[in-house]
Amino acid sequence: EAGVAQSPRYKIIEKRQSVAFWCNPISGHATLYWYQQILGQGPKLLIQFQNNGVVDDSQLPKDRFSAERLKGVDSTLKIQPAKLEDSAVYLCASSKRGQTMNTEAFFGQGTRLTVV
Amino acid sequence: GESVGLHLPTLSVQEGDNSIINCAYSNSASDYFIWYKQESGKGPQFIIDIRSNMDKRQGQRVTVLLNKTVKHLSLQIAATQPGDSAVYFCAENNGEDSSYKLIFGSGTRLLVRP
Repeated sequence: EAGVAQSPRYKIIEKRQSVAFWCNPISGHATLYWYQQILGQGPKLLIQFQNNGVVDDSQLPKDRFSAERLKGVDSTLKIQPAKLEDSAVYLCASSKRGQTMNTEAFFGQGTRLTVV
Repeated sequence: GESVGLHLPTLSVQEGDNSIINCAYSNSASDYFIWYKQESGKGPQFIIDIRSNMDKRQGQRVTVLLNKTVKHLSLQIAATQPGDSAVYFCAENNGEDSSYKLIFGSGTRLLVRP
């Protein structure tokens, strides 16, 4: 079974530029998560999708971050404009959610973003 | 690969000894817990999970203990090996509002001495 695929693997941009990350979850997984992991910290949830609907985006800085999952499969996360403090690893994860409880989330390798 | 957790609490153990990594979770309504292992340059990898109707669950060389009274979770690794060196995170899943958000703790770095 293929895992969660993310691209690009690395990205370096200047502040105020835009950037987009792509995620392809495990086939059949209805729940998709985007996390931000700053060096030395645990992953912080940015947004959670259930199929193509947003379940939670309370931690997403909506003035500069946006995400979509139009067909309920692939997802993109965009930052526009980027700030220095956005430098982090952006992790995508997916899980097969049951009707009454969740199951473990599987993670991609992440995209390391450096804003200079 | 680059280091995942430069400033995380560190547990150093001798190869072959048992390791115990602790985690305090925040939400008394959380009903599902997962331990993840993260190696440098990689995403978190599932180790073991436990639901709130249990207080212990065993896997291969790993055991998770859950104490809901004090909101504490621990991961025990038997006969620790060099390949166990990584950062370990506990994550809690709160299904109270049906969103099942998966929230991570701050992590512990495990170093295995040969």
